[in-house]
Amino acid sequence: EVRLLESGGGLVQPGGSLRLSCAASGFTFSSYAMSWVRQAPGKGLEWVSAISASGGTTYFADSVKGRFTLSRDNSKNTLYLQMNSLRAEDTAVYYCAKVLSLLGVVSDFDSWGQGTLVTVSS
Amino acid sequence: QSALTQPPSASGSPGQSVTISCTGTSSDVGGYNYVSWYQQHPGKAPKLMIYEVSKRPSGVPDRFSGSKSGNTASLTVSGLQAEDEADYYCSSYAGGNKVVFGGGTKLTVL
Repeated sequence: EVRLLESGGGLVQPGGSLRLSCAASGFTFSSYAMSWVRQAPGKGLEWVSAISASGGTTYFADSVKGRFTLSRDNSKNTLYLQMNSLRAEDTAVYYCAKVLSLLGVVSDFDSWGQGTLVTVSS
Repeated sequence: QSALTQPPSASGSPGQSVTISCTGTSSDVGGYNYVSWYQQHPGKAPKLMIYEVSKRPSGVPDRFSGSKSGNTASLTVSGLQAEDEADYYCSSYAGGNKVVFGGGTKLTVL
């Protein structure tokens, strides 16, 4: 069974930083691209970022480009999202999601974690 | 990356069928056969219901079906059941390994 467990959320002041982690199990982590999707309170889903299976390539939504970085440790089956220069509009539940395709096309997400809440407020 | 357009709400009675639309552009929905649909119950994580326009993951009832015509994709839920009441989101590949989601549709089973 695929399991994704996010951690690292919390309250941070505007301009601050936070690092989210996603621990994966139940599948060959190093074979799949991974992604983060967020959901602001009462709002819809927003794709944030993705990383290739090897970790060599990352992709970001325009809204977070230059502020967020994404990395993975395939030896630890863990995904990391480093969030800097946080803004109030970054407040959301952040979901870690597994990309369905082994081809590496970031499109369909077949497994999701339960999410971790990030609140940016003074 | 502009969000895909979905109706904010849809409804149907038990046993009926309902179709939810998802409109994008030739740069996303119309340009690729990578449209997905997700179901989200309150307080829960999204669940993949349809991928690559019309494919169903294992375990998803065949009451759920997907299609696409031009820049518009659709999700049809046949034989509505009470447990189908949820928010539904479409998403599409948008090139360059980026994804765009729709604004979501709240499906009410009357």
